[in-house]
Amino acid sequence: KQEVTQIPAALSVPEGENLVLNCSFTDSAIYNLQWFRQDPGKGLTSLLLIQSSQREQTSGRLNASLDKSSGRSTLYIAASQPGDSATYLCAVNGYGGATNKLIFGTGTLLAVQP
Amino acid sequence: GAVVSQHPSRVICKSGTSVKIECRSLDFQATTMFWYRQFPKQSLMLMATSNEGSKATYEQGVEKDKFLINHASLTLSTLTVASAHPEDSSFYICSARSPLPGTYGYTFGSGTRLTVV
Repeated sequence: KQEVTQIPAALSVPEGENLVLNCSFTDSAIYNLQWFRQDPGKGLTSLLLIQSSQREQTSGRLNASLDKSSGRSTLYIAASQPGDSATYLCAVNGYGGATNKLIFGTGTLLAVQP
Repeated sequence: GAVVSQHPSRVICKSGTSVKIECRSLDFQATTMFWYRQFPKQSLMLMATSNEGSKATYEQGVEKDKFLINHASLTLSTLTVASAHPEDSSFYICSARSPLPGTYGYTFGSGTRLTVV
C-alpha cells in the first residue's frame, strides 16, 4: 500500500529565504507526482507535475525534483514571499490508466514572515 | 480552462437531514471524478471514485449508504451525505481528471465545508 509522507509538517521562515519541502513515498512504481498548494478553507491549486521519467520541473520560483528509485521528491521555493504562505501537498499517481487515483501526503504548512 | 466548480462552499445542517454537494466540470467532460474528505490539519483522504453512468467505487471503510454518489452526466457528479451526524462534519473536495493540455492532470473544486449541528 502506497504511503506518502511530508517533512517538515510545519515551517516558518522570514521573507526572502530559499526553502525546501520534502516528500517521500513507499512504492516507487508511480506514474507521476504532483505538488499542490492549498490555502485555508480552499481547494487545491496544482503547482507542478513530474512524470516518472523526469527528474525535475520548474515554474517560476518553484522547482520540483523527483528521485523515483529512492522514493523522494523535493519542492524548492526560491526567494520566499508572504504570499507563499499555505499548505503544500504532494500526491503520487500510481499506474492504472485514466481512473488513477492520487495518494496525498500529510502536507507541510508554510508560513513566510514579512 | 479545466475548471471544476463545487457548490455549496459552506453548509450548516441539522443532525438527521441530508445534504447534497455538487461538482461540475465547466469546460470539459469528466467521465471520472473523485471525492475527498479532509479533517482539520490533515491531508485529503479519497472517499470514492465517481464514474459517469455507472456505480461509484468506494474506498475501504467508506459507507456507501451514507455517502451517496451520482454521476449522471459527463459534467456533473453529486455527493449526498444521508442522515448527517456531527461526525460527518468535514471539508469535502471533488476533483476531475482533465484532458486539457497544461492542466497538470487533476483539477480540484474549491471544497465544501459541512457542519452538522
